[in-house]
Amino acid sequence: AQSVAQPEDQVNVAEGNPLTVKCTYSVSGNPYLFWYVQYPNRGLQFLLKYITGDNLVKGSYGFEAEFNKSQTSFHLKKPSALVSDSALYFCAVRRGGADGLTFGKGTHLIIQP
Amino acid sequence: GAGVSQSPSNKVTEKGKDVELRCDPISGHTALYWYRQSLGQGLEFLIYFQGNSAPDKSGLPSDRFSAERTGGSVSTLTIQRTQQEDSAVYLCASSSQGDVEQYFGPGTRLTVT
Repeated sequence: AQSVAQPEDQVNVAEGNPLTVKCTYSVSGNPYLFWYVQYPNRGLQFLLKYITGDNLVKGSYGFEAEFNKSQTSFHLKKPSALVSDSALYFCAVRRGGADGLTFGKGTHLIIQP
Repeated sequence: GAGVSQSPSNKVTEKGKDVELRCDPISGHTALYWYRQSLGQGLEFLIYFQGNSAPDKSGLPSDRFSAERTGGSVSTLTIQRTQQEDSAVYLCASSSQGDVEQYFGPGTRLTVT
């Protein structure tokens, strides 16, 4: 079975500072990894994915994520946070093919002005 | 182009009644997924369609839940004899052949009273 852990329920960051939202995963075989963002009363929006290749992937709104196979991690990062980045962030994994996604519990990101 | 649409956006029903939730995927997307988002359980995968067939129904929580997809497009998730624990936001997602990212609709908020 596959699983995703997001160890922080909430992350608080001052505007303009770098941010990191943590994610670790467990899956057999090569993982397909994703980050999604959810704004209040909205569906999930795709941010970025890792399938293969370069361990640093870039996505929407200036976000990036680093795949670390030895640590089974896929942390989300942004060099300079904006107040508008405040939202609920989900990390997800699947084994490949077209399987359904397994999500972490989500991390509330709060950017303080 | 148009995104994934779901209807109704909100549904309030009495315990024991049946409900149908509808999903219209992005045009041309062959894969369709249903998820459930609740406070207690987070985001859970329910079922996946490739075309009209459902190779993975592993996430359906009980035999009261069923889903179908016709014409390789619209899908309906049916919950029979609803229970209070069925209250949640039901999300639909779709993806195109060869793509791995899933695009989510806004969800249907189901409240069972």
